[in-house]
Amino acid sequence: AQSVTQLDSQVPVFEEAPVELRCNYSSSVSVYLFWYVQYPNQGLQLLLKYLSGSTLVESINGFEAEFNKSQTSFHLRKPSVHISDTAEYFCAVRRMDSSYKLIFGSGTRLLVRP
Amino acid sequence: ETGVTQSPTHLIKTRGQQVTLRCSSQSGHNTVSWYQQALGQGPQFIFQYYREEENGRGNFPPRFSGLQFPNYSSELNVNALELDDSALYLCASSGTDRGSTEAFFGQGTRLTVV
Repeated sequence: AQSVTQLDSQVPVFEEAPVELRCNYSSSVSVYLFWYVQYPNQGLQLLLKYLSGSTLVESINGFEAEFNKSQTSFHLRKPSVHISDTAEYFCAVRRMDSSYKLIFGSGTRLLVRP
Repeated sequence: ETGVTQSPTHLIKTRGQQVTLRCSSQSGHNTVSWYQQALGQGPQFIFQYYREEENGRGNFPPRFSGLQFPNYSSELNVNALELDDSALYLCASSGTDRGSTEAFFGQGTRLTVV
């Protein structure tokens, strides 16, 4: 079975400051890794994903995440946040050898203050 | 725009009633998954349909059932509603073959059971 742990339920940060949202996972098989973002009263949007290759993956809006196999982590970072980044962020995994079932963490609310 | 649409957006039902939620998948996608997201939680996998057949099920009782139609749209039915069924129900559609790794989510249906 797979599980995902997001260590922080809420992360407050000032605008233009750096931020890291932590994600650790557990799995006995190889998995794909994802970060999704959810704005208030909306569905989930894919932010970035790790499938294979380079362990550092980037999104178009300045977020990046690094896959660390030895620490089973996939932390999300941004060097300078904006007010508009305020949202709920979910880390998720999916087995490589299976269908599309995603296992989500409990989420981290990023609150960017002016 | 993801192309996945869900209806209705909001719904209020009384305990013991039955409800049907609908999802139109993104064009060309043949796999639909349903998730339940309780307030303050990450989404939990309910079940998945691939080419009109159930293709995996999470830890939900049989009163949660579904259908997928030839056009790959889908329904989620919940019988004998309970207060704990109050949640955001998310539908996700996935690509045209099993190699596809990305799930596209709809905006969700907010179900309130009173």
